[in-house]
Amino acid sequence: RKEVEQDPGPFNVPEGATVAFNCTYSNSASQSFFWYRQDCRKEPKLLMSVYSSGNEDGRFTAQLNRASQYISLLIRDSKLSDSATYLCAVNRDDKIIFGKGTRLHILP
Amino acid sequence: NAGVTQTPKFRVLKTGQSMTLLCAQDMNHEYMYWYRQDPGMGLRLIHYSVGEGTTAKGEVPDGYNVSRLKKQNFLLGLESAAPSQTSVYFCASTKGLPSYNEQFFGPGTRLTVL
Repeated sequence: RKEVEQDPGPFNVPEGATVAFNCTYSNSASQSFFWYRQDCRKEPKLLMSVYSSGNEDGRFTAQLNRASQYISLLIRDSKLSDSATYLCAVNRDDKIIFGKGTRLHILP
Repeated sequence: NAGVTQTPKFRVLKTGQSMTLLCAQDMNHEYMYWYRQDPGMGLRLIHYSVGEGTTAKGEVPDGYNVSRLKKQNFLLGLESAAPSQTSVYFCASTKGLPSYNEQFFGPGTRLTVL
């Protein structure tokens, strides 16, 4: 089993819709969880950290389920500018392990 | 602040040639990382450093060497390039443990080995 797994997509979603991504991790000792966004041919950038109690930043909500070892990202009222690849990341000791990413296309 | 910069942005090598990729950060970060990104493979850690003068192996270290002689610089070397090393290489840095600190990435180096 891969340490961090994501559905590669692509997800093709109409503008204004809600879209959800899931990510599973295998290391139960992981303590820190993140979502990164990567635009085409650009570097990844931190979108948000994921806290135990869940957290929200505008249209974006991140959740953590430790018992099932997965994290999720919900995007509400999606915009054309949300089109990107979303990378899940989990810590292992002094490293961050990334999933392969989920591609999202928002359709006009 | 320039953040994390990478040199060069693009490079084409022939099999067997050598080269060094330079990563520089001006944020006084302790931790630095080299990743490669291939289609369908996501980001894979090559080598990393937890401070000046230290280096450690990541997931895919074979065929690469690194050095961290100065805190602000992290060099990635390919001694004898192979076509399998065609990839996009990203450098990243964090102020401290990445569990608690955002990773900042450079813009990437696109390397093609013929």
